[in-house]
Amino acid sequence: EPEVTQTPSHQVTQMGQEVILRCVPISNHLYFYWYRQILGQKVEFLVSFYNNEISEKSEIFDDQFSVERPDGSNFTLKIRSTKLEDSAMYFCASSETENSPLHFGNGTRLTVT
Amino acid sequence: AQSVTQPDIHITVSEGASLELRCNYSYGATPYLFWYVQSPGQGLQLLLKYFSGDTLVQGIKGFEAEFKRSQSSFNLRKPSVHWSDAAEYFCAVGAGNNDMRFGAGTRLTVKP
Repeated sequence: EPEVTQTPSHQVTQMGQEVILRCVPISNHLYFYWYRQILGQKVEFLVSFYNNEISEKSEIFDDQFSVERPDGSNFTLKIRSTKLEDSAMYFCASSETENSPLHFGNGTRLTVT
Repeated sequence: AQSVTQPDIHITVSEGASLELRCNYSYGATPYLFWYVQSPGQGLQLLLKYFSGDTLVQGIKGFEAEFKRSQSSFNLRKPSVHWSDAAEYFCAVGAGNNDMRFGAGTRLTVKP
């Protein structure tokens, strides 16, 4: 069964540094998403992306964050000037249509020190 | 405002026993409802979903859930739990993927 893949599985960075989290969605999916889960807390929606542009974003997704689909397969989340509170598990997801179920990757655990 | 409540943070059941995980939601219209499972170090895997129609939905791994509009609930059930079912379970609600809200999760421990 096709999978959403995320790299790296664990990223450690120093506060103030930039990180890029990478995702390869399922190939025939058109909608892409980033969610995050701070340890012990709920899974939270960050942003959705369709047709090479952001379609929705939450209030968490401020100017510190950006997303990009640099080529036909990758979907990236960039976090500029990371803060301690950015430490979380970041999940990429994709779906075939806007309302079809999400397929999640295994996540990238980001630790900001 | 939409919200999802999973009242039980942690549940322990014996292997072979039945299981029910509770989920209550608040939503302005009939929402789409989902249950996801997360094993340690893994992503979220969809167990089942409800969009419309039959209020008792069957999912993978022997799970089922029942949508009860009058109680704003979508509880997850399994008649006989296996040790491999130990994981974190998340209920989610939304009108679409841009709109999804997840519950805080229920951690299931299975005793031998």
